[in-house]
Amino acid sequence: GENVEQHPSTLSVQEGDSAVIKCTYSDSASNYFPWYKQELGKGPQLIIDIRSNVGEKKDQRIAVTLNKTAKHFSLHITETQPEDSAVYFCAASRGAAGNKLTFGGGTRVLVKP
Amino acid sequence: GAVVSQHPSRVICKSGTSVKIECRSLDFQATTMFWYRQFPKQSLMLMATSNEGSKATYEQGVEKDKFLINHASLTLSTLTVTSAHPEDSSFYICSANPGGGYNEQFFGPGTRLTVL
Repeated sequence: GENVEQHPSTLSVQEGDSAVIKCTYSDSASNYFPWYKQELGKGPQLIIDIRSNVGEKKDQRIAVTLNKTAKHFSLHITETQPEDSAVYFCAASRGAAGNKLTFGGGTRVLVKP
Repeated sequence: GAVVSQHPSRVICKSGTSVKIECRSLDFQATTMFWYRQFPKQSLMLMATSNEGSKATYEQGVEKDKFLINHASLTLSTLTVTSAHPEDSSFYICSANPGGGYNEQFFGPGTRLTVL
């Protein structure tokens, strides 16, 4: 089955700096890669996703890059703000509807004012 | 759009009782819903996948007779924790997939279960 590794497990950045989280996956058939943000006591919120037919996707201050050859993908957050502090999870899936997601271990991001 | 609700948000029960958690997709029909369990400071652990009108598919190690899942309609799935014990205390989260050929999952806010 699929295995997703996520690094780092914790990340502390100064407000305004950039944050980068990296994930690797094992199943070469995976073609859907979402990122979720989870605040304390809440459910995960989908913040951005990418499919294997593109290498990069951007939405305001967040971007995701995908390298299918190397089987890794990354989340980039620019101009970080205190409200970006949360736990971020990457996931991978074969993209057909109804297929399960395999999650990484999560990254706890702390943005210091 | 893509809002998923869960009820209740918190529940405290005595050991040996059963607890039902509801998951609803509010503005879309969900062909598939998923149930996860999350321990403090850990990732999400998939418990089961449920499709409307059919039996749920449980992950290895998850007791289907203990965690009963019913996906009665395209907008509602329920998880019943039967004969709950303190080790069942956890954060239970559902997600819903709108189908249509894509695999996005939208998560509910979670249910905190505490078994005394």
